[in-house]
Amino acid sequence: DTAVSQTPKYLVTQMGNDKSIKCEQNLGHDTMYWYKQDSKKFLKIMFSYNNKELIINETVPNRFSPKSPDKAHLNLHINSLELGDSAVYFCASSQVGSHTEAFFGQGTRLTVV
Amino acid sequence: AQSVTQLDSHVSVSEGTPVLLRCNYSSSYSPSLFWYVQHPNKGLQLLLKYTSAATLVKGINGFEAEFKKSETSFHLTKPSAHMSDAAEYFCVVSTSGGYNKLIFGAGTRLAVHP
Repeated sequence: DTAVSQTPKYLVTQMGNDKSIKCEQNLGHDTMYWYKQDSKKFLKIMFSYNNKELIINETVPNRFSPKSPDKAHLNLHINSLELGDSAVYFCASSQVGSHTEAFFGQGTRLTVV
Repeated sequence: AQSVTQLDSHVSVSEGTPVLLRCNYSSSYSPSLFWYVQHPNKGLQLLLKYTSAATLVKGINGFEAEFKKSETSFHLTKPSAHMSDAAEYFCVVSTSGGYNKLIFGAGTRLAVHP
């Protein structure tokens, strides 16, 4: 069983479109995250939710809106896609509390053309 | 604020020789530190973690890392490289404050030659 699963794995879309990436974890964790990996492989946190509540929002454009229907799911919706949004987006989850490791999904490679 | 610096963007070794991937951290308190590995077109897998217990940490696939507070380092080593070790490696520090936020280093690409 996959612990953290994301869909789709690949997403190619045109500028201006709206798209969503879904994430689900079956580890029973309370905290979920979205990270963005750019073309230079640099990883940066975008959002973190704890038990459906937003707790970290890192200077991400308003076009990005996370939604957590329950603590096992954290979806990412992106409006008005731009070329610069092309990246690999990783979902992750962890136990609540400091200093715990995160478990990552396989990533969604988003290409905006 | 916490940060990590991976001192080498690329490391190349021959199969069977030792691996050393260097990481320095900056933290105003005792940090938690991690090494993650990313194989091509794959997700991130935890290799090992340090959380203020033993300073020498053993991980999966024969990797280990030593936490040295005096040098603010957390270098990753392996005695003998295998072809399957070729991947991108990330040194990561965790912030404090109740809710976890991982700060990633820029990554080190490890190449292993026959």
